Amino acid sequence: DTGVSQNPRHKITKRGQNVTFRCDPISEHNRLYWYRQTLGQGPEFLTYFQNEAQLEKSRLLSDRFSAERPKGSFSTLEIQRTEQGDSAMYLCASSFSGTSGSTDTQYFGPGTRLTVL
Amino acid sequence: ELKVEQNPLFLSMQEGKNYTIYCNYSTTSDRLYWYRQDPGKSLESLFVLLSNGAVKQEGRLMASLDTKARLSTLHITAAVHDLSATYFCAVTPSGAGSYQLTFGKGTKLSVIP
Repeated sequence: DTGVSQNPRHKITKRGQNVTFRCDPISEHNRLYWYRQTLGQGPEFLTYFQNEAQLEKSRLLSDRFSAERPKGSFSTLEIQRTEQGDSAMYLCASSFSGTSGSTDTQYFGPGTRLTVL
Repeated sequence: ELKVEQNPLFLSMQEGKNYTIYCNYSTTSDRLYWYRQDPGKSLESLFVLLSNGAVKQEGRLMASLDTKARLSTLHITAAVHDLSATYFCAVTPSGAGSYQLTFGKGTKLSVIP
């Protein structure tokens, strides 16, 4: 299967702990995105990478959040000192943009559901 | 700030009927996407619309875009139970350099026999 994969699929943690999620994009895709989705809402943008460079960050991404994409391949999203308000589904997406006329469609992974107790 | 509004947010329709979901957005946009999400699952790409007057069709779903009105529609023809899901529209702002998607709240569609 060559789709976007995310690990873990579920994470339960206690308030104040740190958590890290991993995303493996579709192999030929040069763009990678992180979104957060809470119940009954659409996904909200968090951050975006083109290759290994982090080019956009949402104001939702507080200083407790950090994302990396070393070598332009997989990405990690770390949340430090988790709070109950961080409970959500964290979605990763990837896209390819290399030619004019590209639709740049973002393909989403299955998500990591975080529960902070 | 780009805002995306969908209506209705909830839609219960009988099998065999037709209906339309509306998506309005607040500023000019380069691209508009429609996604489907089943409960507990991730998002599946349905359509991408790139220009004014664009129309895409797949099975019982047809999407269109009016960039002057900043409006997209997703039309459902002769609904079947398998179409029950939440449908999201999402938009990227115009201009180079921003690729983030801004999503609507979604339309939860239930197709009943």
